[in-house]
Amino acid sequence: NAGVTQTPKFRILKIGQSMTLQCAQDMNHNYMYWYRQDPGMGLKLIYYSVGAGITDKGEVPNGYNVSRSTTEDFPLRLELAAPSQTSVYFCASSSWAGTANYGYTFGSGTRLTVV
Amino acid sequence: GQNIDQPTEMTATEGAIVQINCTYQTSGFNGLFWYQQHAGEAPTFLSYNVLDGLEEKGRFSSFLSRSKGYSYLLLKELQMKDSASYLCAVRDRNYGGSQGNLIFGKGTKLSVKP
Repeated sequence: NAGVTQTPKFRILKIGQSMTLQCAQDMNHNYMYWYRQDPGMGLKLIYYSVGAGITDKGEVPNGYNVSRSTTEDFPLRLELAAPSQTSVYFCASSSWAGTANYGYTFGSGTRLTVV
Repeated sequence: GQNIDQPTEMTATEGAIVQINCTYQTSGFNGLFWYQQHAGEAPTFLSYNVLDGLEEKGRFSSFLSRSKGYSYLLLKELQMKDSASYLCAVRDRNYGGSQGNLIFGKGTKLSVKP
């Protein structure tokens, strides 16, 4: 059982470059999320999706885009990378909200540095 | 708005008991979660409370008082491997999604000393 798989684990980007962070889950979860975590700060929600074809902005969406063409995959696109996007990015998934005590399952994270 | 407060750092001794507090203010409370995060790793789910009272899971217990906007995580018989950050997260119906997305506190870094 792979759970939530994120790639790459590490990446260094130059200012202005673009990249896609990949996220895939094999648990048939409907909900998927992208968070960023900066030192000393809590996890901040970037985008989330409640199912294939449906995405919505979180707290800090500027500079990012997402798509959800399948239940399994939820890639995060960074356009025109900026130093402020240096962070650790976590993808997470969860089952339908109808489950009483669902928690999020997190991927192992992508450590991104923009120079 | 939403606000979650927890201490930044705590230190405790191996074998002891430690309590990590979390206070929150949200408009659409729909459950509280505790996660453990070791340095350089992903958060992992520890506990969930939606009703008032204590939930016990082995060495870990979590308590919730909705009227006070307060929760705590209790760790007993501390082990060195418990050194980690502990994240308090509140699900808020007004934060997107059908049942609400999670809002995370900044985390409490616990150091367990021999």
